[in-house]
Amino acid sequence: GDQVEQSPSALSLHEGTGSALRCNFTTTMRAVQWFQQNSRGSLINLFYLASGTKENGRLKSTFNSKESYSTLHIRDAQLEDSGTYFCAAERTGNYKYVFGAGTRLKVIA
Amino acid sequence: DPKIIQKPKYLVAVTGSEKILICEQYLGHNAMYWYRQSAKKPLEFMFSYSYQKLMDNQTASSRFQPQSSKKNHLDLQITALKPDDSATYFCASSQDRDQAPLFGEGTRLSVL
Repeated sequence: GDQVEQSPSALSLHEGTGSALRCNFTTTMRAVQWFQQNSRGSLINLFYLASGTKENGRLKSTFNSKESYSTLHIRDAQLEDSGTYFCAAERTGNYKYVFGAGTRLKVIA
Repeated sequence: DPKIIQKPKYLVAVTGSEKILICEQYLGHNAMYWYRQSAKKPLEFMFSYSYQKLMDNQTASSRFQPQSSKKNHLDLQITALKPDDSATYFCASSQDRDQAPLFGEGTRLSVL
């Protein structure tokens, strides 16, 4: 079936630093979403992209449908950024989202 | 105020019983969804509804039956509960099917 490979599986960042999370897709995807799941278990919608790049504050996401990947860049990490980040991709034409396994991010002081 | 309300927040059930998970959205959205997150698997898409009609079903078991009595409701009935059904069930909605869904807070189900 469709697969979303998300990396890294876990990441520790010092406050003020940054990094990139990545999702690779095994097939052509129409759109991708990025979510943060916080310590309470709530899912927070970060980005929805059908193509290109979007930026929101310290977060930036890119989706390259042709090369089947998406990235989420976090800069100037803050303690409240800790949580699990999921990407979810929708295969062209079927409106069903397939999720990656998540990246557990821990921001340390 | 939460715009997608899921009830109850926590639910404990015995094996073999039946439960209904409630979801209501007050966003005027036309599409609603159910997802599941368990300890063993990442988030999984289960169902999507658009204008109260089932559009996609990615759940193998017929024990899971969505019910839409109103446009802004999509409840999930689960029968013959098994311990493996233990998970957090998230309801979501979007304006239409080709737009990003917003999620409710989830119902955490434990089957003993």
